[in-house]
This record gives sequence, structure tokens and C-alpha cells, in this order.
Amino acid sequence: RKEVEQDPGPFNVPEGATVAFNCTYSNSASQSFFWYRQDCRKEPKLLMSVYSSGNEDGRFTAQLNRASQYISLLIRDSKLSDSATYLCVVNMGDYKLSFGAGTTVTVRA
Amino acid sequence: GAGVSQTPSNKVTEKGKYVELRCDPISGHTALYWYRQSLGQGPEFLIYFQGTGAADDSGLPNDRFFAVRPEGSVSTLKIQRTERGDSAVYLCASSPWGGSSYNEQFFGPGTRLTVL
Repeated sequence: RKEVEQDPGPFNVPEGATVAFNCTYSNSASQSFFWYRQDCRKEPKLLMSVYSSGNEDGRFTAQLNRASQYISLLIRDSKLSDSATYLCVVNMGDYKLSFGAGTTVTVRA
Repeated sequence: GAGVSQTPSNKVTEKGKYVELRCDPISGHTALYWYRQSLGQGPEFLIYFQGTGAADDSGLPNDRFFAVRPEGSVSTLKIQRTERGDSAVYLCASSPWGGSSYNEQFFGPGTRLTVL
């Protein structure tokens, strides 16, 4: 079983729509959680950290459910520029990042 | 300021050849990481350097892979007797420090390795 599993999508949504997707992680001892964004043929970049209480960064909202071991990302008022692959990332409190395979989002005009 | 840089951006080689991939981390970052990303997958951890020493090389797939960071800055990932299965994007990342608590890793643009 993979450490981090994501629905690969793709999620095709119109501009202005809300899109949400989850990932699950297998190790209950995981300590830190993140969403990274990766554009086609580019490097991953940190989008946001995910905190237990849930957190927002502009149009992006992340939630963590430790009991069920899943993390979610919601994007409101989608923009064309939100089209990317979103990588769910889990960390054991050290230096090693465990990445999911990514969820592809395409926002159409 | 300058981010993480990697050279070459693309490398095409033949099965059985030796390749070297270079990473220049952000100046002053003591921690350096190598990841490998295959098509349709997320990056997978290969090795972590704290300063000059490899603190964790548990992700290296086999003994054909080796990495060095002799002066605690630039790192080179070396692959001997390349195989077609080694084809992937090799990503380097750096962070201000490593150790037991997470701090943000900044990724370079990667080297796309193709083994024919």
C-alpha cells in the first residue's frame, strides 16, 4: 500500500467553480502535512501547509482529519492559472517528504 | 535571490553508460535532498545530505547510484551502468537546515534523464 494515495483526476472545472479533492495517508504517526503544486514539466512548489484546525490561504482551504487519515484541498472561484497537478505530501517530522502521485486540475474558460 | 539550479536540464544516454547530474543549492542552505520522479508519479526520496555527509541514503535504489557533496554546497548524483528503468526526472531540493523538524524544501527544475 502506498504511503500517500490521491485520486489522479483529472478534475475539469469551469472558471469560477469550486473544486475539492482528498488524499489519504497510511502512517498514523505522520506529523506534518502539505499541499504542493506542480505545473507541467516544472518543479513542485509549496502551496500551503495543513494544520489540524484547518486553514485558509486566499481561495484555498486545507483540512486535516487525523482520525480518518485524510487531507483535503478546496479551491474556490477557480482561475485558469489554478490548472496544475496538486501533490499531497506527508512528513514524519524529519526531513523526508512522502508525495502522492498528484491530482490534476484543469480549469477551462 | 537565486533558487536551486540543476544541470543539465536534459540528458539522453545509452543503456550501460555512466551519467552525472549536478545540483547547486540555494546559497547558505545546509540540507540538500535528491528525489526521483517517474512519469505520473510523485517525487520519491533518494538521499539527504546535512553538510558534506550523506545523513540518509536509504532511498537509493541500488549500488549503481551514488551521490556526493564534497564541500557542503554543490552535489553530484552519479549513476553507473544506466538502465532504461532509470529514466525519470531527478529533482534536487535544499533547505536552510535539516534534522529532526521539517523546514520548507525548495526544489530545482530537475534533470530529465532518458536512457535509450
